[in-house]
Amino acid sequence: DGGITQSPKYLFRKEGQNVTLSCEQNLNHDAMYWYRQDPGQGLRLIYYSQIVNDFQKGDIAEGYSVSREKKESFPLTVTSAQKNPTAFYLCASSISRQRTTNEKLFFGSGTQLSVL
Amino acid sequence: KQEVTQIPAALSVPEGENLVLNCSFTDSAIYNLQWFRQDPGKGLTSLLLIQSSQREQTSGRLNASLDKSSGRSTLYIAASQPGDSATYLCAVNRLTGGGNKLTFGTGTQLKVEL
Repeated sequence: DGGITQSPKYLFRKEGQNVTLSCEQNLNHDAMYWYRQDPGQGLRLIYYSQIVNDFQKGDIAEGYSVSREKKESFPLTVTSAQKNPTAFYLCASSISRQRTTNEKLFFGSGTQLSVL
Repeated sequence: KQEVTQIPAALSVPEGENLVLNCSFTDSAIYNLQWFRQDPGKGLTSLLLIQSSQREQTSGRLNASLDKSSGRSTLYIAASQPGDSATYLCAVNRLTGGGNKLTFGTGTQLKVEL
């Protein structure tokens, strides 16, 4: 069954704690992305990676970190420096490292992060 | 800075009605535009992608149009069904820079009633 798997579905963070959200894809896609979704706002890009061992900051990277050690995995760590982490986090992928005009993004089912 | 606006924010229609969702963007220099569907608490499903050189795309009961010069796109849904109830998101892909960096609208929440 091909797709993008995000885990856990729900995650709770205590004050001062770092938490890591998992994103795995078996689509053999080169590029992967992390977006944050807040109620009443559009999705905002946190980080993206076009190739293994390389990643770039998006629009709201502060307080987050990522790694891309394997093609199929792109975990996101929400650090204690992120003061307002409560949001719905979505991972996405697209097929190629050099984008094409007809290239679609495919999304996982998301992780809801809440602060205790 | 690209801004994407979707109007209306919410829409309720009776089953069988044809409807149009609107998306406007401020910078016409775009790479492509995608329409997505999102069910509550779920991820996004890509519906249609319109390349910058295209005017429209069709898939089943869905038709999306693009007018770059006026900064507008519409999503037309024919013969709406209760299963179409969801939030519809428009996203514009930036022309410059690497990667598929999308700017999203806030969505239109559609309810199709029996």
